[in-house]
Amino acid sequence: QSALAQPASVSGSRGQSITISCTGTSSDVGDYNSVSWYQLRPGTVPKLIIYDVTQRPSGVSDRFSGSKSGNMASLTISGLQAEDEADYYCSSYTANRGVFGTGTRLTVL
Amino acid sequence: QVKLVESGGGVVQPGRSLRLSCAASGFSFSSFGMHWVRQTPDKGLEWVAIISYDGRNIYYGNSMKGRFTISRDNSKNTLFLQMHGLRAEDRAVYYCAKSIHPFSGPSGMDVWGQGTTVTVS
Repeated sequence: QSALAQPASVSGSRGQSITISCTGTSSDVGDYNSVSWYQLRPGTVPKLIIYDVTQRPSGVSDRFSGSKSGNMASLTISGLQAEDEADYYCSSYTANRGVFGTGTRLTVL
Repeated sequence: QVKLVESGGGVVQPGRSLRLSCAASGFSFSSFGMHWVRQTPDKGLEWVAIISYDGRNIYYGNSMKGRFTISRDNSKNTLFLQMHGLRAEDRAVYYCAKSIHPFSGPSGMDVWGQGTTVTVS
């Protein structure tokens, strides 16, 4: 299964909003509502921030939101804060096999 | 407290085998599908395998098929990953992770272990 396509990097100023795209195919993102997003800060384990396309786990800020249209999923972070600076990965499934995105490094200016 | 603790990583020569374990606690292990995921500086996160809550459904990433075997012992709340024919490109931090939904198919992973490092050299 090929990795889902994400921009290598995005940046935004504190307080602004950014959106990270995750592009797949009709066999993965387009076929499953199990799109998830993970936040990776240096030295920490991956943290689930969005699951089932739009759902936030308990304890995750409502500044994080997810959506999907066709074969593309998106993660939006509003009101950027310094602590949001991290790597972000989307994930989905294809034929019940998991697939991650290529990862996006978010820089908060 | 929901917790996953991996063990079994280490340095191994190319072509050799290694068995990773993941001890689960704080939740009903036998109700949830479990995953192995690996992380490398070059490739980022790579999905390795999934096993259903009852062990009856198993799927592997393409580059692991035929070399890796995922299994679980629900009586001991433990997940395993048996790796054979290890290659340099298998060098990674290996995480076990819990599916967020019980008794379900593919879903997000809400609890992760701290990871165990495998070096093939």
